[in-house]
Amino acid sequence: DAEITQSPRHKITETGRQVTLACHQTWNHNNMFWYRQDLGHGLRLIHYSYGVQDTNKGEVSDGYSVSRSNTEDLPLTLESAASSQTSVYFCASSDSGSSYEQYFGPGTRLTVT
Amino acid sequence: AQTVTQSQPEMSVQEAETVTLSCTYDTSESDYYLFWYKQPPSRQMILVIRQEAYKQQNATENRFSVNFQKAAKSFSLKISDSQLGDAAMYFCAYRSYQGAQKLVFGQGTRLTINP
Repeated sequence: DAEITQSPRHKITETGRQVTLACHQTWNHNNMFWYRQDLGHGLRLIHYSYGVQDTNKGEVSDGYSVSRSNTEDLPLTLESAASSQTSVYFCASSDSGSSYEQYFGPGTRLTVT
Repeated sequence: AQTVTQSQPEMSVQEAETVTLSCTYDTSESDYYLFWYKQPPSRQMILVIRQEAYKQQNATENRFSVNFQKAAKSFSLKISDSQLGDAAMYFCAYRSYQGAQKLVFGQGTRLTINP
């Protein structure tokens, strides 16, 4: 069955370190998204991609970067982790056609100490 | 930019009763989609119901239904015959009909079911 996976599921890192969160989908979807979830804010969009080599900034992109070298993967990099980036991170994907549902991964809980 | 507001941080309901979760949104677009997502303690985001703005008929999915008021920009979720498994965070979300497929989420409502 097609799925979307994230790794690691939990991570603790120190301030200033570079961190990369992985997202892999086997739906063959063109669209991929990264959101962060914080209490009182719901989910907010960090970056998104509509296909290979395409990336776009979302609402809260400062301090984050993504690259899309193939259809299946959209890794999210925190260049220099900050305590304000402690959050739960969700990856999602969707089809570019008539389907409008986004499928979400299980989330990664990141703690920056 | 579009915004979505859920003004009820927490709600509770007795098992088997009916509960309504509120959501309002702001947009200048005439065509769009609205969604309700459920997030149980497992953290998995589960699509509960969707509504296309061009459809006047309110969407229903078994015990879940919506009251879509386009002019008022209101999109509430009604859960009938509440079950213990309905306990979760519920998020309202907006998506443009064309162009960007990104979702704009509300702050969420935590629903507790009392046995």
